[in-house]
Amino acid sequence: AQSVSQHNHHVILSEAASLELGCNYSYGGTVNLFWYVQYPGQHLQLLLKYFSGDPLVKGIKGFEAEFIKSKFSFNLRKPSVQWSDTAEYFCAVILPRPLNTGTASKLTFGTGTRLQVML
Amino acid sequence: NAGVTQTPKFQVLKTGQSMTLQCAQDMNHEYMSWYRQDPGMGLRLIHYSVGAGITDQGEVPNGYNVSRSTTEDFPLRLLSAAPSQTSVYFCASSLSGTEYNSPLHFGNGTRLTVT
Repeated sequence: AQSVSQHNHHVILSEAASLELGCNYSYGGTVNLFWYVQYPGQHLQLLLKYFSGDPLVKGIKGFEAEFIKSKFSFNLRKPSVQWSDTAEYFCAVILPRPLNTGTASKLTFGTGTRLQVML
Repeated sequence: NAGVTQTPKFQVLKTGQSMTLQCAQDMNHEYMSWYRQDPGMGLRLIHYSVGAGITDQGEVPNGYNVSRSTTEDFPLRLLSAAPSQTSVYFCASSLSGTEYNSPLHFGNGTRLTVT
């Protein structure tokens, strides 16, 4: 079964520091990859996604992620974090399914990384 | 356009009680799903539905039932609550189940405590 690993459980940074959160998945075929963010007290929302094409994906709020197929990784980066980036970040993977099969692709989430940005 | 609406926001149950968590979306999404979020375990899929009348099990379906009689609604039922079901529950929907062009839209969650 597919799985997603996020090895950083809790990251503490100062404002303006650079961020990189790790995400590795365990599937050898084609995958679709996502990063979701959950701000304190709120629901999850999509940061960025990768389906195909350019492996460097840019998302909202200055975040980007790079898909490295040889490393089964999809790490999230931001050059300079802000206090407002304090949140929990989830990597997720889905295996594409053929259309019209009557089944749905299941999104598998990692365990999340809690980011705390200090002023 | 309200998006995904979950009720209630908070609930406390005693072991053995039953209840239904409500989820409704007004975006005409075909795909709906229920996740539970637990510390250190991320989000785990409980049940999902690809359309009215069609449901399937996710990763952790035991102890939960679902039905999908309309496109808009996808209630999650706990028939006999157990302390292990203490969690935060999220309902999510998307235009289609393939995720190609339809990321999940999440509700605000229901925090359930079973004593």
